[in-house]
Amino acid sequence: DVKVTQSSRYLVKRTGEKVFLECVQDMDHENMFWYRQDPGLGLRLIYFSYDVKMKEKGDIPEGYSVSREKKERFSLILESASTNQTSMYLCASSSSWMAGGNYGYTFGSGTRLTVV
Amino acid sequence: SQKIEQNSEALNIQEGKTATLTCNYTNYSPAYLQWYRQDPGRGPVFLLLIRENEKEKRKERLKVTFDTTLKQSLFHITASQPADSATYLCAGRRRGSQGNLIFGKGTKLSVKP
Repeated sequence: DVKVTQSSRYLVKRTGEKVFLECVQDMDHENMFWYRQDPGLGLRLIYFSYDVKMKEKGDIPEGYSVSREKKERFSLILESASTNQTSMYLCASSSSWMAGGNYGYTFGSGTRLTVV
Repeated sequence: SQKIEQNSEALNIQEGKTATLTCNYTNYSPAYLQWYRQDPGRGPVFLLLIRENEKEKRKERLKVTFDTTLKQSLFHITASQPADSATYLCAGRRRGSQGNLIFGKGTKLSVKP
């Protein structure tokens, strides 16, 4: 069964800490994404990557950075965690738009991050 | 800005009836729309994709339509069951990028026995 695995289901961090959220996919997908999901706001794109070492800003990149050193791994970094970054973080992957297919995203189970 | 809107936050229906969820897009024309199911505390699960040149797509009890005149997609679940209760998300391919998705806020469907 194909999978996107997020390293933690629940995480509690202190304000000002540097936080790493890890995501690994086993489908050899080119594209990977980080979203956050908040009640009333839906899913908002933070960053995405369509190749190793490449990254693009999404709609709300402020306060975040990403790293993609290997094809299967996409990390989200909160440089200095703040309480307004308390949220559900969802990682997703998909095959290349050039490769055809149904382009559906495969999501991880999410990491619920609380910043205190 | 490009938007995907699901105007109903919640929909309650009786078991056995057909559930119909609505998705509207504004300020652009997506090349395709996707529908996802999300259960509480879990990530969304991809259900169906429909392209702008397709009028209708079916998968088992699910049917999706794409109306470019109304700028709308309808998502139907026939013979609904309590197990269909979940939040359903509509997403459109974003224009002018590598094609990442814009998501609607979702409609929470509750199917009562």
